[in-house]
Amino acid sequence: EIVLTQSPGTLSLSPGKSGTLSCRASQTVDSNFLAWYQHKPGQAPRLLIYGTSSRATDIPDRFRGSGSGTDFILTIARLEPEDVAVYYCQYYVDSVWTFGQGTKVEIK
Amino acid sequence: QVQLVQSGAEVKKPGASVKVSCKASGYTFIDYEISWVRQAPGQGLEWMGWINTENGDAKYGQSLHDRLTLTTDTSTRTAHMELRGLRFDDTAIYFCARVRGYAGYDGGWFDPWGQGTLVTVSP
Repeated sequence: EIVLTQSPGTLSLSPGKSGTLSCRASQTVDSNFLAWYQHKPGQAPRLLIYGTSSRATDIPDRFRGSGSGTDFILTIARLEPEDVAVYYCQYYVDSVWTFGQGTKVEIK
Repeated sequence: QVQLVQSGAEVKKPGASVKVSCKASGYTFIDYEISWVRQAPGQGLEWMGWINTENGDAKYGQSLHDRLTLTTDTSTRTAHMELRGLRFDDTAIYFCARVRGYAGYDGGWFDPWGQGTLVTVSP
């Protein structure tokens, strides 16, 4: 079973600054099936990135995904107040999905 | 537009069952699988299972496989999630989501998601 470990637990950023969120897999994964979601309280999660680096529809280019092997990164550039949320990475293999435990992004 | 609309909040007693529905619109229902995810209070996202909407074949996560049943009704474009033997720690928001991926391959990512259904297990 693949385990996804996200860090940091909480990321505090000033508006306009950039930050990186990490997602580390317990073993090498297929990057085609690594996705990122944004989840705001009281809302449905929203797909941000799929296939490690492809942005979903209507996602601004401030959000960028990268990585390979066991290490994946979500970069948020020029943080805006609307970006406050919990971000989850997700992986699919053999009819099973796994989520990381999430990184909370807050405004400093 | 593509939309998944879920049924309303439920309050159940321990040991009871709950059935949550997820009605799809804006796309061809049988062309995409539906997956279910839950979030307990203060916790992260937990994948529960998924169902092939065309043939009804379902696969379940290890933690719930003995209490969970996923079904679909193609005539109403609706997916259903039934959880039996409810426990206090089943209190959570339950989400359905459409599975998207690469042509010819199983699996992928979830887009869009339903709005969520709060299930509260209370004595």
